[in-house]
Amino acid sequence: QQQVKQSPQSLIVQKGGISIINCAYENTAFDYFPWYQQFPGKGPALLIAIRPDVSEKKEGRFTISFNKSAKQFSLHIMDSQPGDSATYFCEGTSYGKLTFGQGTILTVHP
Amino acid sequence: EAEVAQSPRYKITEKSQAVAFWCDPISGHATLYWYRQILGQGPELLVQFQDESVVDDSQLPKDRFSAERLKGVDSTLKIQPAELGDSAMYLCASSQPGGEETQYFGPGTRLLVL
Repeated sequence: QQQVKQSPQSLIVQKGGISIINCAYENTAFDYFPWYQQFPGKGPALLIAIRPDVSEKKEGRFTISFNKSAKQFSLHIMDSQPGDSATYFCEGTSYGKLTFGQGTILTVHP
Repeated sequence: EAEVAQSPRYKITEKSQAVAFWCDPISGHATLYWYRQILGQGPELLVQFQDESVVDDSQLPKDRFSAERLKGVDSTLKIQPAELGDSAMYLCASSQPGGEETQYFGPGTRLLVL
């Protein structure tokens, strides 16, 4: 199966707080795990990505933590800002084919 | 910065009519994807092209949907006849084979079938 399960479906965080989104996958052929950010009416845009041979990747306020043995990975957004309010999708990629998670709607209150 | 172009941005049509969407990928990107995104869900792949060849159209409803990329550059996705359940966002993405294979998405075409 190529399913990617994402939680929570929605998340409300206060400005300055930490947002955490979790994903679990089944397909061990996945070799690349990107996170995409989508604003209303726009196409998804790559936010950050990780390979399974790395346990953590940080870019600014965004960090991916990856647990290969558990087949789980998560996105942490530090110091969340109202501008981070969007839908976030985790994905697994195998041979260039993306399998999207169900998405998490993040709302950051000022 | 290079972007994926799509047109139209919005399309309203009546059921049983034909609709077509156009996509121009980032220059030099050999791989092109068409996705359908229903409101509140993640995108689902409809068809993948490598240059002008279809490499995956397993999820494309071939009785009413067709896609082409004749010269291996821009692409057209057609629906005929449109049904109420086709109302969705249609996204085009492109990537370069090899490396990170990051997919770059266009702004999408929002279709409403009445």
